[in-house]
Amino acid sequence: AQTVTQSQPEMSVQEAETVTLSCTYDTSESDYYLFWYKQPPSRQMILVIRQEAYKQQNATENRFSVNFQKAAKSFSLKISDSQLGDAAMYFCAYRSSTSGTYKYIFGTGTRLKVLA
Amino acid sequence: ETGVTQSPTHLIKTRGQQVTLRCSSQSGHNTVSWYQQALGQGPQFIFQYYREEENGRGNFPPRFSGLQFPNYSSELNVNALELDDSALYLCASSSARLENNEQFFGPGTRLTVL
Repeated sequence: AQTVTQSQPEMSVQEAETVTLSCTYDTSESDYYLFWYKQPPSRQMILVIRQEAYKQQNATENRFSVNFQKAAKSFSLKISDSQLGDAAMYFCAYRSSTSGTYKYIFGTGTRLKVLA
Repeated sequence: ETGVTQSPTHLIKTRGQQVTLRCSSQSGHNTVSWYQQALGQGPQFIFQYYREEENGRGNFPPRFSGLQFPNYSSELNVNALELDDSALYLCASSSARLENNEQFFGPGTRLTVL
C-alpha cells in the first residue's frame, strides 16, 4: 500500500523569504501523480502544484516549485518570496495512475506560518 | 463554471443518530469522491462513485454509505454515529476527460458528534 509522510508538523518563514516543505512517499508503482494542496482556514483544498512521475522535469507554478527525486521517493515544495496569504496547512498527496479508483492518499500536513 | 458545493456547512448530531451530507459536483464531472478529515490529520479516502456506481472504497465500515444521482450530485450517509465520526467531510469531483483526472474539492461539512 502507498503511504505519504510529512515530517514537519509546522514551519515558519519570514515574509519575502523562501521555505521548503518536505514530503516522502512509498510506492511500488512506477507511474503516479504527486500533488501539493493548500488548505487555508476556509477549509477549501486548493491545488498548488502537480507532478507526473514520468516527467523528470520539476514542476513550477509561479512562486511554487517542487524538487522531485523519484529514486529517493521525495517530493518537496519550495515557496519563494513568501506572502502572508501563503499561511495555511499544506498537504502532500499521491495518486496512482493505474488504479481504477483515482483516490488520493494524503500526508498529515504541514502548518505554514508567515511572519510579517 | 460552478465549483463543488457541499451542504450543510456544519452540523451537530448525537451518538447513534444518522446523518446525510450532500455534494454538488462541478459541472461536467461524472466522478465524486468522499474524504474524512479528522482534526489535525490529512483527508482519508472513504469511497468513490462513477456514473452512479461505487468505484472503490477505503477502510471504512459499512455504516458509511453513499449515493450518486443522474445529475452527478452525491450523498454520504453515516448510520449509528460514533464520537470518532466527528470530522470535516470533503467531497471532490472529477472527470475522466480531465488531464490527470484531477479532483476539485468542495469546502467541506464539519460534523460534530456529541
